[in-house]
Amino acid sequence: EAGVAQSPRYKIIEKRQSVAFWCNPISGHATLYWYQQILGQGPKLLIQFQNNGVVDDSQLPKDRFSAERLKGVDSTLKIQPAKLEDSAVYLCASSLGTGPYYEQYFGPGTRLTVT
Amino acid sequence: EDQVTQSPEALRLQEGESSSLNCSYTVSGLRGLFWYRQDPGKGPEFLFTLYSAGEEKEKERLKATLTKKESFLHITAPKPEDSATYLCAVPSISNFGNEKLTFGTGTRLTIIP
Repeated sequence: EAGVAQSPRYKIIEKRQSVAFWCNPISGHATLYWYQQILGQGPKLLIQFQNNGVVDDSQLPKDRFSAERLKGVDSTLKIQPAKLEDSAVYLCASSLGTGPYYEQYFGPGTRLTVT
Repeated sequence: EDQVTQSPEALRLQEGESSSLNCSYTVSGLRGLFWYRQDPGKGPEFLFTLYSAGEEKEKERLKATLTKKESFLHITAPKPEDSATYLCAVPSISNFGNEKLTFGTGTRLTIIP
């Protein structure tokens, strides 16, 4: 079974530029998560989708971050404009259903450096 | 706000030297606790779910236990391949009423051959 795919793996941009990350979840997984993991910290949930609807985006900085999940499969996360504090690893995860008791499968992440 | 605290931040052990990692939490009504392993450059990988105080789960050299206030991840006779960051997480309710995982900062474990 193929795992969660993410691209790019690494990205370096200057502050105020924009960037987009892509995620392809495990086939058949209805729930998709985007997490932000700052160096030395645990992952923090940014947004959670159930199929193509948003379940929770309470911790997404909506003035600069946006995300969509087209046709309930792939997802993109965009940052525009980026700030220095956005430097982090952005992890995508998917699960069969919604709720913490469904095992979440994580992708390798995209490491973003904002200079 | 629910909080998860892990200690120590980093731990170096000789191969074969057993030890324990701690995860303490402040949540209103614990509804389970999760352990993950994260290797450098990779996403977290699920290890265990513990649902109630007194529960124990084992996997190879790892054993997770849960009390009403904390969880321990015991590692017995570790090998270099056990080197990783170990994260614990608890379900918590977001402002949207969604039950999400709140992660601790992790313990970075290094096993020296």
